[in-house]
This record gives sequence, structure tokens and C-alpha cells, in this order.
Amino acid sequence: ELKVEQNPLFLSMQEGKNYTIYCNYSTTSDRLYWYRQDPGKSLESLFVLLSNGAVKQEGRLMASLDTKARLSTLHITAAVHDLSATYFCAAGGGADGLTFGKGTHLIIQP
Amino acid sequence: SAVISQKPSRDICQRGTSLTIQCQVDSQVTMMFWYRQQPGQSLTLIATANQGSEATYESGFVIDKFPISRPNLTFSTLTVSNMSPEDSSIYLCSVGGGSLNEQFFGPGTRLTVL
Repeated sequence: ELKVEQNPLFLSMQEGKNYTIYCNYSTTSDRLYWYRQDPGKSLESLFVLLSNGAVKQEGRLMASLDTKARLSTLHITAAVHDLSATYFCAAGGGADGLTFGKGTHLIIQP
Repeated sequence: SAVISQKPSRDICQRGTSLTIQCQVDSQVTMMFWYRQQPGQSLTLIATANQGSEATYESGFVIDKFPISRPNLTFSTLTVSNMSPEDSSIYLCSVGGGSLNEQFFGPGTRLTVL
């Protein structure tokens, strides 16, 4: 059974700081996904990581995947208030649907 | 990317009743997925719906409680039957697609059961 663990679950940080969210998964997975969810909204796809060593960047967010360690990271550079949201990682995909981590509730304070 | 719509966007229902949620996609897709997000929680997969076959349910979810229809490649429904307050959640449908193997989510249906 695929399990996905995410940490931290809650993160409060100041603008301008850097931080990393970690996502571990228990068994081999074809793909690793990162999503953003704003309060009362659906999920916004951020990144899909398909292979070992994959790194993707969009603005202040960068995601990486280490399939040997079964670890993905979401790194936030020079955080700004607009990045405040809940971030989910998920593994699986294809015909099996996704297994989600519990989410990281991120608050970025001025 | 796929554009997904859901109806209703929200509803308040009485316990013991049933609600059918519709999911419409703007392109043909083989598989559609239904997820539940309980208040303040993460998403949990309820079932996978393939056109022309019965839905496949995850552990803890049963067809009598969550019957699913998939009449064609762009549409699916999820019914929440004999509702109780514990069924209060956001229900989301999802499809795969795109060159990047993305999974796209609908806007969700926010259900409150009194």
C-alpha cells in the first residue's frame, strides 16, 4: 500500500526566507505531484516529477525528486505573502489515482 | 489542460437523503477519479470510474454508499447515499491528461449534511 508522508504539516515563516517541504513515499511510484490549495478552492497543479533527479522550477518554487530515497522536496526561495496556502504532495497516478500527503499549511508573514 | 466542471458547487442536505454530483470534462478521457476531502484534511480517493465498466472502489468505500455512473467519456456522477453529518466534505473529480501526465481537478462540490 502506497503511503505518503509530508512534513512539516504547519509552517509559519517570514517573507524573504527560504524553506523546504519534504515528501516521503513508501513504495515505487511512477510520478510525484505537487499541488497548491487556497482556502475554499480546488487544487492547482504545480509540478509533475517523472524521473529520478528531476528538478522543476516555477518562480520562487522548485521541486525535486529522488526516486532512490523515495523523497521529493518543494523549496521556497525568498518567500512572499502570496505563497501562503496549503501544499500537497501526491504519488501514484496513471490508472491507480493519487495518494496524498496530509498537506503543509504554509503561512508567510510580512 | 482539461477543463472540469462540477454541479452543484455546494449543497446543504438533510441526513438520510441522497445527493448526486455531476462531473463534466471538456475532452474525452478514459479514467475519471472521485476524491473526498473532509474538513481540514487531505484528499482520499473514493473510486476510479472507467467508461463501460463498473467503478473500482478503494478500501473503506462501497458502491451502496457511493454509486458511480460513467455513461460516456466526458461525464460521470457520484451519488452520496443515505447521508449523515460525517459525509460533510468536499467531493472532487479528477482526470489525467496532458503531455506531462498531470492530474487535473474539478472545482469541487462542498457538501454539508445536517
